[in-house]
Amino acid sequence: QQQVKQSPQSLIVQKGGIPIINCAYENTAFDYFPWYQQFPGKGPALLIAIRPDVSEKKEGRFTISFNKSAKQFSLHIMDSQPGDSATYFCAARAGTASKLTFGTGTRLQVTL
Amino acid sequence: NAGVTQTPKFQVLKTGQSMTLQCAQDMNHNSMYWYRQDPGMGLRLIYYSASEGTTDKGEVPNGYNVSRLNKREFSLRLESAAPSQTSVYFCASMYGGANNEQFFGPGTRLTVL
Repeated sequence: QQQVKQSPQSLIVQKGGIPIINCAYENTAFDYFPWYQQFPGKGPALLIAIRPDVSEKKEGRFTISFNKSAKQFSLHIMDSQPGDSATYFCAARAGTASKLTFGTGTRLQVTL
Repeated sequence: NAGVTQTPKFQVLKTGQSMTLQCAQDMNHNSMYWYRQDPGMGLRLIYYSASEGTTDKGEVPNGYNVSRLNKREFSLRLESAAPSQTSVYFCASMYGGANNEQFFGPGTRLTVL
């Protein structure tokens, strides 16, 4: 059972574009929503995270938008660069003692 | 700090062979995790250890066993490898409490023929 649904599976944008990756969840007990970035041949690394008491969080060119009523959250990458080409995973967790549930990943390619 | 280290980086097994994947972290983290990553499936939790001395099943535990050897080390064992266990395996660790960030190792690419 996929508790966190992620789309699209892959995405190609031109340099300077704003790719948007979406995630949806059903479990209302989720209270922590991180995004991980993974480069080929490497392990995932935390990019940015949000809690449901805020609707937006921005760190540099990366922004999470959170819609609690719709049970959806998304990652926006402003002024995307070829170096942002990677696979991005959303995730969710219900409580500090719980585990992370990951989405299926989005492979992003930023072209020149 | 080396962070999270995994050995080996690559391994090829024949069906029925056994092997142990090793993971160690030097960040004094309390929790450790084993995931497998397959195309289109994301990261799926195999087993985890919330603290030294405890282990629990994750989403896909069948065919695997784990040992939390001490606070630093968490190993994953395949007793009788099957082609369905061909995957990339990641170990991760987390301090816990208010610090939620999981740190991942570089992965082990396992092929079972």
